[in-house]
Amino acid sequence: GAVVSQHPSRVICKSGTSVKIECRSLDFQATTMFWYRQFPKQSLMLMATSNEGSKATYEQGVEKDKFLINHASLTLSTLTVTSAHPEDSSFYICSARDPRTPNQPQHFGDGTRLSIL
Amino acid sequence: DQQVKQNSPSLSVQEGRISILNCDYTNSMFDYFLWYKKYPAEGPTFLISISSIKDKNEDGRFTVFLNKSAKHLSLHIVPSQPGDSAVYFCAAETGTASKLTFGTGTRLQVTL
Repeated sequence: GAVVSQHPSRVICKSGTSVKIECRSLDFQATTMFWYRQFPKQSLMLMATSNEGSKATYEQGVEKDKFLINHASLTLSTLTVTSAHPEDSSFYICSARDPRTPNQPQHFGDGTRLSIL
Repeated sequence: DQQVKQNSPSLSVQEGRISILNCDYTNSMFDYFLWYKKYPAEGPTFLISISSIKDKNEDGRFTVFLNKSAKHLSLHIVPSQPGDSAVYFCAAETGTASKLTFGTGTRLQVTL
């Protein structure tokens, strides 16, 4: 079964709206979660590393004021796309690694399809 | 700068035959490599991985080969099945706690 849950799976909203995406680890505590973005027919690109209790680490070129990340608990990280515009339309995916099995691969959520009209 | 590359965007293979998906990387610091399978509108599903200290890892129908000197890895699926049709991403990381760098993906179509 899924060990990383992402919600919502799809969002369609008007330009200028802020959208929040949740990523939950279901049966483990994750001090670190990762947020990726995938444009059509392109690779998954890491946007930021979400750290529980501290600031997220953003990849080069990703605007931290645009993509707000909050990791307030050991099982939940949220990504808020602020004042979203059509160019922010993409597939957003989170992942986390179970610290009990650090040598095992990361678990991915099922992603959120964001469409800005 | 694409550090992980999959030069074949698509591949079509007949059912029962071998599928070979290739991946090249440029960063010599990568020490762990993974293959993920992805369906549309879903997150990637882990398939198989290999550490840089090995050159081959096998799991059922899936085998990954690593050629460190050539900075090249490949995924072999044999025999291929229609259910294998999906997009396959290779990914690489340094250490066990760091971020993944993904390739651009190869769409595999297994035909009857």
